[in-house]
Amino acid sequence: DAGVIQSPRHEVTEMGQEVTLRCKPISGHNSLFWYRQTMMRGLELLIYFNNNVPIDDSGMPEDRFSAKMPNASFSTLKIQPSEPRDSAVYFCASRPTGGSNQPQHFGDGTRLSIL
Amino acid sequence: AQSVTQLDSQVPVFEEAPVELRCNYSSSVSVYLFWYVQYPNQGLQLLLKYLSGSTLVKGINGFEAEFNKSQTSFHLRKPSVHISDTAEYFCAVSDIRGSNYKLTFGKGTLLTVNP
Repeated sequence: DAGVIQSPRHEVTEMGQEVTLRCKPISGHNSLFWYRQTMMRGLELLIYFNNNVPIDDSGMPEDRFSAKMPNASFSTLKIQPSEPRDSAVYFCASRPTGGSNQPQHFGDGTRLSIL
Repeated sequence: AQSVTQLDSQVPVFEEAPVELRCNYSSSVSVYLFWYVQYPNQGLQLLLKYLSGSTLVKGINGFEAEFNKSQTSFHLRKPSVHISDTAEYFCAVSDIRGSNYKLTFGKGTLLTVNP
């Protein structure tokens, strides 16, 4: 069965440009998470959706970051305008209904480089 | 709130040697415990999880972990490693309250298996 699908896998763009990262969670999973991974800070939770509703966006670093989940099978993370310090690997993860005893399933990530 | 400490940032070992990756956690409530593995340029994959019951948990690829409540530890072990086990390993905890969605990760341990 298909896992969490993220696109693009790699993105290189110049600072100031808008960046949109996409995620398709596993079918039937009702929780979706966006993470950022850097060498300095490790894995950081950016935002959590439950049943398509944003529950906790306290990890979103600035107003330049926004995330949407228009339906159960699609989510986007947008950065506008992008800055070099946004360079990182961004992961999307989904989790089935059942609570915190259920493991999160991760996509392969988007490696973002802002020049 | 929970915290996770992975005591070793890097562990080099020779092929076919045993390995232990250490994880300690702190929490004011009971927790679920997870180990994830991240291969280069991939997302995190679940190795094993402890929810309840037997404190010795077996996972994929020959890994196992032991939950020790008194020492608040969840160390990962493998009796004989392969070159293909080279990866970064993350310990994670979530509290058992269903309303808590957060998975708290350690900083990771890079396991390097040398021939």
